[in-house]
Amino acid sequence: ETGVTQTPRHLVMGMTNKKSLKCEQHLGHNAMYWYKQSAKKPLELMFVYNFKEQTENNSVPSRFSPECPNSSHLFLHLHTLQPEDSALYLCASSQEGRTGTNYGYTFGSGTRLTVV
Amino acid sequence: GQQVMQIPQYQHVQEGEDFTTYCNSSTTLSNIQWYKQRPGGHPVFLIQLVKSGEVKKQKRLTFQFGEAKKNSSLHITATQTTDVGTYFCAGGGYNFNKFYFGSGTKLNVKP
Repeated sequence: ETGVTQTPRHLVMGMTNKKSLKCEQHLGHNAMYWYKQSAKKPLELMFVYNFKEQTENNSVPSRFSPECPNSSHLFLHLHTLQPEDSALYLCASSQEGRTGTNYGYTFGSGTRLTVV
Repeated sequence: GQQVMQIPQYQHVQEGEDFTTYCNSSTTLSNIQWYKQRPGGHPVFLIQLVKSGEVKKQKRLTFQFGEAKKNSSLHITATQTTDVGTYFCAGGGYNFNKFYFGSGTKLNVKP
């Protein structure tokens, strides 16, 4: 275990389904992230939450909806996805200093999502 | 916008040969990080470089940060089959939370 736990590990969903990905970090970090990894774009930042506030939305389609109820938990709600959304979704956490210092991301094992 | 370019995209080496991957940024970086992702796994943090011209070593791995803080390299001496994976650099800009990942270099080591 890396200290960042993601569930489920694998998910197959239809285009009309609604599902959620869950991430939990046990490291006491103050920032959490969602990344999308596919063959076309190896590591694509989707969302950043710093001190529980969303600070980055990297032009992600509205069919992806993040939720961060506290600094240890992060969710990604999925609805009406497209087949091209099939990818590995990685959650990460880090300890961010107030001057922008980042001491490295700890990634979860990811959720392999297939949209059919 | 800021971009981090990484080359080569793929590298196939014979076990025992050396390997180097390069990372270049269009703008000056505040720091740079390196990650390794094994096949079927997730990226794992290796190291962070902060100072201009900094060189750090981890056993057979040598990491360098350029004098102008716009480029970096990872060199592996005498590769082993356990080195197989994709190596990513991530460049930190001077904006809060902004880290830009390179496209990665996929290393294959033939025994």
